[in-house]
Amino acid sequence: NAGVMQNPRHLVRRRGQEARLRCSPMKGHSHVYWYRQLPEEGLKFMVYLQKENIIDESGMPKERFSAEFPKEGPSILRIQQVVRGDSAAYFCASFAWSGTGELFFGEGSRLTVL
Amino acid sequence: GDSVTQMEGPVTLSEEAFLTINCTYTATGYPSLFWYVQYPGEGLQLLLKATKADDKGSNKGFEATYRKETTSFHLEKGSVQVSDSAVYFCALSAGSSNTGKLIFGQGTTLQVKP
Repeated sequence: NAGVMQNPRHLVRRRGQEARLRCSPMKGHSHVYWYRQLPEEGLKFMVYLQKENIIDESGMPKERFSAEFPKEGPSILRIQQVVRGDSAAYFCASFAWSGTGELFFGEGSRLTVL
Repeated sequence: GDSVTQMEGPVTLSEEAFLTINCTYTATGYPSLFWYVQYPGEGLQLLLKATKADDKGSNKGFEATYRKETTSFHLEKGSVQVSDSAVYFCALSAGSSNTGKLIFGQGTTLQVKP
């Protein structure tokens, strides 16, 4: 009974490269949230997706960031042309409307931009 | 906008001491309130929640009461253990249609010494 799986756990990129972070929700969950945690700060909402739909992207930076949750496969958070300020922990959480309403978080992906 | 403020850490206690971590919030409407815990190297886990004023959430010896008059949701435990060492996040959910969109405090690190 696997929980929310995120990979990679740690990712190092140089400025200008692309970062791709993956999230597989819990079995039976079709809703995924992405949060970002900057150093010494709390988690900040980025985007909420259902399969094949972006429901709420009000927390996503306007440029360089995108997210998808295809019909098959994991949700992907993509950061193009990374900058040092993108260094953070990125957490994915999944949710089932028919369940308890609880968010289940993955262990996070820690991005370091050199 | 909505926000959550937690007491700054780290909080260092001896085993069996009493714990209080303060959390206050600002929100329009009637949010649900949560405490999440993050153990080293792991994702966030829901510790307890309260969905309306005067509700008390409790789990694993931890308690928090939703106080609308003081806009607070302080976390308490009567006797902490070394295994309680973790980062604790207070959070609120303001939207009934998007309950996974949480606003987090900055987190409070608890260190319990034997």
